[in-house]
Amino acid sequence: DAGITQSPRHKVTETGTPVTLRCHQTENHRYMYWYRQDPGHGLRLIHYSYGVKDTDKGEVSDGYSVSRSKTEDFLLTLESATSSQTSVYFCAITGQGKTDTQYFGPGTRLTVL
Amino acid sequence: EDKVVQSPLSLVVHEGDTVTLNCSYEVTNFRSLLWYKQEKKAPTFLFMLTSSGIEKKSGRLSSILDKKELFSILNITATQTGDSAVYLCAVGHTGANSKLTFGKGITLSVRP
Repeated sequence: DAGITQSPRHKVTETGTPVTLRCHQTENHRYMYWYRQDPGHGLRLIHYSYGVKDTDKGEVSDGYSVSRSKTEDFLLTLESATSSQTSVYFCAITGQGKTDTQYFGPGTRLTVL
Repeated sequence: EDKVVQSPLSLVVHEGDTVTLNCSYEVTNFRSLLWYKQEKKAPTFLFMLTSSGIEKKSGRLSSILDKKELFSILNITATQTGDSAVYLCAVGHTGANSKLTFGKGITLSVRP
């Protein structure tokens, strides 16, 4: 398995509170991604990073921000959590070159009450 | 708008059956098609198919890519209860920072 960890693995929070999810990799891969997975929607890309301090939006980026200050860490922040952001969040990484194969972290289950 | 459509959405089979899972796509700048298996946890990679590799096989699983008709199939022969999972299809794009567009998945249940 690729060396990807996510923290926390589970979190329950209240509407309006800020939340930060962390993705950590030990593979020194360039590309990192944040997805959310919801019933009926599959995996949807929130934000991604193509290098330190280089990030871009995905298809469902509203309400989320990201930061990548080191190769190994990619943070996802919900500035003011809403109930619609209750979901399972996956981080993924892929390596250099033309490979498209992404490897996923174990996921974080976030519940916003 | 890029589309990846998987069918059927779900199916139930008995152990020993053969199943075929479908994935069709309409995307710009196609580069690759990937299959993942997801049990009650993170997706795990199965296959990647590209223009230079349109057929892959691993044990009881095999997959083909038809770039002309824009679809792929994943076959599982002699199914086992451990094959029960959600199977995800995703498409990679050229010049897109290795981003993938995912389908919604196919839920396969294999009964003993």
